[in-house]
Amino acid sequence: QVHLQQWGAGLLKPSETLSLTCAVNGGSLSSYYWSWIRQPPGKGLEWVGEIKYYGEPNYNPSLKSRVIISLDMPKNQVSLTLSSVTAADTAVYYCVRGYSQVLIDYWGQGTLVTVSS
Amino acid sequence: QTVVTQEPSLSVSPGGTVTLTCGLNSGSVSTTSHPSWYQQTPGQSPRTLISRTNFRSSGVPDRFSGSILGNKAALTITGAQADDESDYYCVLYLGGGLWVFGGGTKLTVL
Repeated sequence: QVHLQQWGAGLLKPSETLSLTCAVNGGSLSSYYWSWIRQPPGKGLEWVGEIKYYGEPNYNPSLKSRVIISLDMPKNQVSLTLSSVTAADTAVYYCVRGYSQVLIDYWGQGTLVTVSS
Repeated sequence: QTVVTQEPSLSVSPGGTVTLTCGLNSGSVSTTSHPSWYQQTPGQSPRTLISRTNFRSSGVPDRFSGSILGNKAALTITGAQADDESDYYCVLYLGGGLWVFGGGTKLTVL
């Protein structure tokens, strides 16, 4: 059974960089696509971006200039970096696994990141 | 800008049938949009119900079904139960590696 365990700093100041990591337990990064989804408090889901197992990234155009998603194959981990955060980036961030034509088959537990001065 | 549309709220009686839809502000949804549906109860991570239009995830009851109805993707719940009261989100593939979520539908069972 695949389990996505994620962690990272939960409180940031405006202009700082958000960094989250997702460890994939019970499975491999290979053959799958790895995305980050976020959900502001009380609001809907937003696709942040995706990286395919062979390293090709795709990002939400509204975030593209600030986001990097990367893979660490030896550690079996996926990372999200979002620079120059503002209060609008306050959200629960989910690490998810997918594959061709399927955005999500497994969800991480989510990490609340709050941006506040 | 492409917007994915969902009904903000719907209600269904216990045992009844309800259809939630997922459309585009410009254009039609087809199987090549690879529509998926997710269920979320308050305070929980979402759960994947349907992928690739009509493939149910493991453990999802068969009262949940996905389809294309006209120019929209649809999620139909047949024989609704009290614990189906949740928020439901769809997502569509726009091409070029890009995905967009709908705003969600709040389903009430009463």
